[in-house]
Amino acid sequence: AQKITQTQPGMFVQEKEAVTLDCTYDTSDPSYGLFWYKQPSSGEMIFLIYQGSYDQQNATEGRYSLNFQKARKSANLVISASQLGDSAMYFCAMSAGKGTYKYIFGTGTRLKVLA
Amino acid sequence: NAGVMQNPRHLVRRRGQEARLRCSPMKGHSHVYWYRQLPEEGLKFMVYLQKENIIDESGMPKERFSAEFPKEGPSILRIQQVVRGDSAAYFCASSPRGKGQETQYFGPGTRLLVL
Repeated sequence: AQKITQTQPGMFVQEKEAVTLDCTYDTSDPSYGLFWYKQPSSGEMIFLIYQGSYDQQNATEGRYSLNFQKARKSANLVISASQLGDSAMYFCAMSAGKGTYKYIFGTGTRLKVLA
Repeated sequence: NAGVMQNPRHLVRRRGQEARLRCSPMKGHSHVYWYRQLPEEGLKFMVYLQKENIIDESGMPKERFSAEFPKEGPSILRIQQVVRGDSAAYFCASSPRGKGQETQYFGPGTRLLVL
């Protein structure tokens, strides 16, 4: 069965520090994509970063990077130099299987950045 | 460069009424996905549509829910005879090609409250 697990319901981080949000996944399909989305209190879903299962390097987008450890089936999001505006809910999602378009989402991690 | 548009942003209905949620995909995108987010949960896939076609409705409840994406105009998610359990945030996403592991871009969501 395909599954995404986010074990941290809530996290705190001091402003300007780095934080890692955990995500593990389960799929038997060798072809899959992993995504992170941010959901601020206003409610919209903002795409942050993507990692393909065959990508050789970890994805990076500005202050966001994805620590992809294939053998451990983990795709942790690292946010460097946290800002107050990073306070939000963060969701990890997976699309597994060639031609598959459905996203499977985790339950999310609520991040609070402290001044 | 408009993103995915959804309206209304908030919708209040009494039990037994109908709810119509609209979604206009990003310019150049012809693939639309609907997801539902119950309180304190991740998003769950409902239906995938292309213009004039329902490709996959495996996540849709069998009764009362329907979706369409006509040749002209927005995609519509319709919920008939709403019940309290339908209260949720409904997100629409779009992508350009509908291919596996393609990034989906989400709209701001419609928050449905059933009284």
